[in-house]
Amino acid sequence: EAQVTQNPRYLITVTGKKLTVTCSQNMNHEYMSWYRQDPGLGLRQIYYSMNVEVTDKGDVPEGYKVSRKEKRNFPLILESPSPNQTSLYFCASSLGQGGEKLFFGSGTQLSVL
Amino acid sequence: EDQVTQSPEALRLQEGESSSLNCSYTVSGLRGLFWYRQDPGKGPEFLFTLYSAGEEKEKERLKATLTKKESFLHITAPKPEDSATYLCAVYGSSNTGKLIFGQGTTLQVKP
Repeated sequence: EAQVTQNPRYLITVTGKKLTVTCSQNMNHEYMSWYRQDPGLGLRQIYYSMNVEVTDKGDVPEGYKVSRKEKRNFPLILESPSPNQTSLYFCASSLGQGGEKLFFGSGTQLSVL
Repeated sequence: EDQVTQSPEALRLQEGESSSLNCSYTVSGLRGLFWYRQDPGKGPEFLFTLYSAGEEKEKERLKATLTKKESFLHITAPKPEDSATYLCAVYGSSNTGKLIFGQGTTLQVKP
């Protein structure tokens, strides 16, 4: 089954404790992206990658890191999480440059205390 | 700066009561406008892509249309299962790789 898999589904952590949210797709997609979704602000892009070893900043990259060492995986790293990073995070992938049909993961609800 | 505004923020309909959702956009060189559906606790699910003014796409009770400044998602005779948040997004030529989303319209259809 074609899918984007994110883990964990829920995560509660404390300020400053490094964490990684994993994202994997099995569709051989070139493009992958991370979004955060907050009430009243909609979906905002954090980082995206158009190919292996190529990543670019989205609209809200501060406090986040990503890597794309292989095509299927695109982890999101929070080196020192802060409470304002409490949010619902989505990973997505698409075959083309990101302007085509996006497949989204199920989301990761992160709470930073 | 590319921008997407959706209205209304929330919409309540009775089953069978048709209506439209609006997506107004400002983008340099529109390469595509997209509609997604999002159910509570789930990731958005792709509905339509529109590329040029005048284009229309249909799927069951949904019909998406596009002009040079806005897109409409028409819902004909909605059913309770159409209840969801509908998201609009644009992809412009000046921001390759970036998809700009609107804040969404939350639709509730009562039986």
